Amino acid sequence: GQSLEQPSEVTAVEGAIVQINCTYQTSGFYGLSWYQQHDGGAPTFLSYNGLDGLEETGRFSSFLSRSDSYGYLLLQELQMKDSASYFCAVLRGGKLIFGQGTELSVKP
Amino acid sequence: DGGITQSPKYLFRKEGQNVTLSCEQNLNHDAMYWYRQDPGQGLRLIYYSQIVNDFQKGDIAEGYSVSREKKESFPLTVTSAQKNPTAFYLCASKGQAYYGYTFGSGTRLTVV
Repeated sequence: GQSLEQPSEVTAVEGAIVQINCTYQTSGFYGLSWYQQHDGGAPTFLSYNGLDGLEETGRFSSFLSRSDSYGYLLLQELQMKDSASYFCAVLRGGKLIFGQGTELSVKP
Repeated sequence: DGGITQSPKYLFRKEGQNVTLSCEQNLNHDAMYWYRQDPGQGLRLIYYSQIVNDFQKGDIAEGYSVSREKKESFPLTVTSAQKNPTAFYLCASKGQAYYGYTFGSGTRLTVV
């Protein structure tokens, strides 16, 4: 089977840096993705790590370590609009399997 | 602009009724997916289709049915056999040259 674990909630202040971790118990997957979902909205794709290491896209970075079965999403210079749910997901067998999501609250 | 259109945005179903949720994409993507999301939960895969006229069950297919007669369309029917259908339903598609999934804006289904 497969499972992905994320913290359910994270709180941070505007301008800070926050890291959302994702640990997984699955094998044979093609990579780790991250999605953002604002309340009541559609998930939007943020990043993909096919190889170990760090991928940077503007204020967002994502990291994968296959040997540690671990990844994280790093959000820098937090803004109020970053308040949302963040999901890690693995692509396996043509299917995207999601974690339960982390609700990020950014405070002034 | 290319994208995925889901309709309706809100849908109310009486007990015992079948309802069909529409999903149309003009992205020329081969693969399409249906997910269910319950409050405070992640997305669970219902059905997916990688090519026209072919589809596979996901993790929670019981009580649902799909068809894929056209590349652009992947409708989901919630049957009366689905005992707890109240949820947020999301349709997605994926092209071959891109790792990310594109999601529609969702249909919120409520049983009344």
